[in-house]
Amino acid sequence: SAVISQKPSRDICQRGTSLTIQCQVDSQVTMMFWYRQQPGQSLTLIATANQGSEATYESGFVIDKFPISRPNLTFSTLTVSNMSPEDSSIYLCSVEDTAFSYEQYFGPGTRLTVT
Amino acid sequence: GQQVMQIPQYQHVQEGEDFTTYCNSSTTLSNIQWYKQRPGGHPVFLIQLVKSGEVKKQKRLTFQFGEAKKNSSLHITATQTTDVGTYFCAGGFKTIFGAGTRLFVKA
Repeated sequence: SAVISQKPSRDICQRGTSLTIQCQVDSQVTMMFWYRQQPGQSLTLIATANQGSEATYESGFVIDKFPISRPNLTFSTLTVSNMSPEDSSIYLCSVEDTAFSYEQYFGPGTRLTVT
Repeated sequence: GQQVMQIPQYQHVQEGEDFTTYCNSSTTLSNIQWYKQRPGGHPVFLIQLVKSGEVKKQKRLTFQFGEAKKNSSLHITATQTTDVGTYFCAGGFKTIFGAGTRLFVKA
């Protein structure tokens, strides 16, 4: 399975600022995703990061708030813009390891606290 | 929209007891996956089921996919303290995650 790293692992940010989270995979993958997980809660899909084109956002998430880049098949970034305390959460990137399976492998996550 | 519901929300067991979590979808699923998330960790893929009525085993874990492909279960036999964590089912085209079942095991 793919090995995924995320940076930073955690951060404390002031409201109104922005944070960019990086996700690096050790192999080329077709599908990359960004999730949000509130403590003790389930995972909510933010968007699918598409290589070479605009990300596909889920209902309730917009590009202006969560811009995503995916310049190649091994790397993606998620920016949380104009942060408020409600954005405090764990942000996870994940990949589908093969083209014919929905198995997802997750990065270690970025724990964001907005004060 | 498609929903994946999971019960129970929490389960406390004595070590050695069995444990089952259930997953139900509002629509037919092409596949379902199960993940385990240890406290403080990230979700880890356990297994994927794709066939109607499929049953798969991993040591003490038994996974089932319903005949109608709308429900699934994870059964752990003789729980151990290492089984502690939250178990999520996930399925559907957009991989909708259930709410998860948090398992507590008392030694």
